Amino acid sequence: DTEVTQTPKHLVMGMTNKKSLKCEQHMGHRAMYWYKQKAKKPPELMFVYSYEKLSINESVPSRFSPECPNSSLLNLHLHALQPEDSALYLCASSRLPGQSNTEAFFGQGTRLTVV
Amino acid sequence: QKEVEQDPGPLSVPEGAIVSLNCTYSNSAFQYFMWYRQYSRKGPELLMYTYSSGNKEDGRFTAQVDKSSKYISLFIRDSQPSDSATYLCAMSAVQYGNKLVFGAGTILRVKS
Repeated sequence: DTEVTQTPKHLVMGMTNKKSLKCEQHMGHRAMYWYKQKAKKPPELMFVYSYEKLSINESVPSRFSPECPNSSLLNLHLHALQPEDSALYLCASSRLPGQSNTEAFFGQGTRLTVV
Repeated sequence: QKEVEQDPGPLSVPEGAIVSLNCTYSNSAFQYFMWYRQYSRKGPELLMYTYSSGNKEDGRFTAQVDKSSKYISLFIRDSQPSDSATYLCAMSAVQYGNKLVFGAGTILRVKS
C-alpha cells in the first residue's frame, strides 16, 4: 500500500474563515511534507516533519500552520488566507533521509479556492 | 541557472512512439532521482525511483541516470493516449534532508 489520503478534495473558503486540511498515511513513513502547487508549475515545498517534529519551514506565512499529531497524520491549519493562496495543496510522505528507498509518495491533493 | 532544468514542452507524439524525457542538473550532490506523472488536477504519481547512476526498467518505462553528465532520462515505449500527462523529474540528497528539487515538468501529448 503506497497510499497517501488527503481530505477534503476540494475546499472553498472566505478570507476570514478557518479551515484545516488533513493527510493520512499508513506506510510507516516518519517524514511527511506539505507542498503547494500552482497551475502549470512544479510543487513547492512548504513544510517537512521528521519524527513528528517540524524540521523544515520554507519561510511560509504564519496564516499556514502545520501540525503532526502522530506518525500517520498531518494537518495544515488555514486562517486569514488571501486569494493568491488558491492552489493545489499536496501532502507527501517518505522514509527518513539516510534510509534506503526514500522515494516520496504524494496524495491526490486538496484544491483550495480562497474567495 | 536553475538547479534542475527540464523542457516544459509540450511534446506531441503519435500513439506507439518511443518517448524520451530528460532533465539536467547542476548539483553533483544529488543521489536519488525520481520521475513522477501528474494528470491534470491530480497529485503526482511516482513512476520510477533510482539511486545513483544506472538504468532501471519497469514495464514500458525505463529510467536512466548518468551522474557524470548530470543527466537523467525517462523512456516510454509503445506510448498510449493514457500516457498524456505532465512528467516531473525530481531529485534529492541526504545532506539536504532528502528535500525534493523538481524540474519544471514536461507536458506530453500522445495522439491516437
